[in-house]
Amino acid sequence: LAKTTQPISMDSYEGQEVNITCSHNNIATNDYITWYQQFPSQGPRFIIQGYKTKVTNEVASLFIPADRKSSTLSLPRVSLSDTAVYYCLVGDMPNDMRFGAGTRLTVKP
Amino acid sequence: DARVTQTPRDKVTEMGQEVTMRCQPILGHNTVFWYRQTMMQGLELLAYFRNRAPLDDSGMPKDRFSAEMPDATLATLKIQPSEPRDSAVYFCASGTDRLTRDTQYFGPGTRLTVL
Repeated sequence: LAKTTQPISMDSYEGQEVNITCSHNNIATNDYITWYQQFPSQGPRFIIQGYKTKVTNEVASLFIPADRKSSTLSLPRVSLSDTAVYYCLVGDMPNDMRFGAGTRLTVKP
Repeated sequence: DARVTQTPRDKVTEMGQEVTMRCQPILGHNTVFWYRQTMMQGLELLAYFRNRAPLDDSGMPKDRFSAEMPDATLATLKIQPSEPRDSAVYFCASGTDRLTRDTQYFGPGTRLTVL
């Protein structure tokens, strides 16, 4: 079971780049890394998924070092609407992928 | 824009009553998940279906909860009898394991209050 550790909360200001790091020291060879975003009163929303190196989409970038024991979600130029809880998941359904407490990001004006 | 739909959106009931929550997964998706979210416990996986077959329901209290997929367009989660501790937001999610690895698309949730 690939356990993940991420900060409980982070604060940022509008226009800044935000990097949220997730540790997953016992990640397995076949495990993918997936990030979700959850706004209040909504279900989580898929942001990005990766296996190694770097993945980028219109929302975020995901950086994964060679040893894959951690990953960093990068949100460029955040706005107030990026205030949400961000979850890092590692593994394969259904046994491994569990939502932890996530990181509560607060973007301030 | 395909979405997962859930009904009802809100449900208030009294202890001991039966509660049925319904979910329509995105057409073409072959995986369905049921989650429960509370402030104390966060998001808990209750059940997981692949191609309508239940693969994991270890997170579900067996004595009062049941989950089924009568067909590919409907998933149900039933609580009988309901208890105040079941009060939570219940999310359904669907996905496909044929493309990205188990990416899940969540519905809006059913907010259950058991008095």
